[in-house]
Amino acid sequence: DTGVSQDPRHKITKRGQNVTFRCDPISEHNRLYWYRQTLGQGPEFLTYFQNEAQLEKSRLLSDRFSAERPKGSFSTLEIQRTEQGDSAMYLCASSMTGTDTDTQYFGPGTRLTVL
Amino acid sequence: GQNIDQPTEMTATEGAIVQINCTYQTSGFNGLFWYQQHAGEAPTFLSYNVLDGLEEKGRFSSFLSRSKGYSYLLLKELQMKDSASYLCAVVVPGGYKLIFGSGTRLLVRP
Repeated sequence: DTGVSQDPRHKITKRGQNVTFRCDPISEHNRLYWYRQTLGQGPEFLTYFQNEAQLEKSRLLSDRFSAERPKGSFSTLEIQRTEQGDSAMYLCASSMTGTDTDTQYFGPGTRLTVL
Repeated sequence: GQNIDQPTEMTATEGAIVQINCTYQTSGFNGLFWYQQHAGEAPTFLSYNVLDGLEEKGRFSSFLSRSKGYSYLLLKELQMKDSASYLCAVVVPGGYKLIFGSGTRLLVRP
């Protein structure tokens, strides 16, 4: 069990550029979640997938954000025309349906800095 | 709206016991999680409560009262490595997302 992995770990970009992050969940997990966390705050939910279907999106996810999970395995989160307010840690988590707790296990995150 | 409250910061002494409280007001309840998060790292799962009562796991215990909208995380025999943020999160009906509090930053002093 290799855990949830995310790439890149850090990303610095200029305002207006597009960025894409990747998340690889724990291999047998069918649910995948994206959260955003700013300093001193708890993670905020962005969206989640069950297999390849995107089942819920937060109002936080503006039109500039898009997430995909094309084959029900890894997922990508793209932010277009980045703004300074997008600077945050982007966390991915995965879980398995059918377990008692449906516990979400988090990856190490991608820290985005928009200059 | 959904509201989860935790103290912002707590300080305790190595070897002591500390209790971190969490109160929630949410549109329904399907379970409560506690996560530990060291600075710059991912949250790691500590405990899950869905029924009232105490769940014990080694040095860590978590308590839930659904009627009071209240939970606490109890850490015993504190170690320096327990210095971290502790996040309380609730799952509400209709989905699987976690709704997090702002976290409690615990500092353990020698």
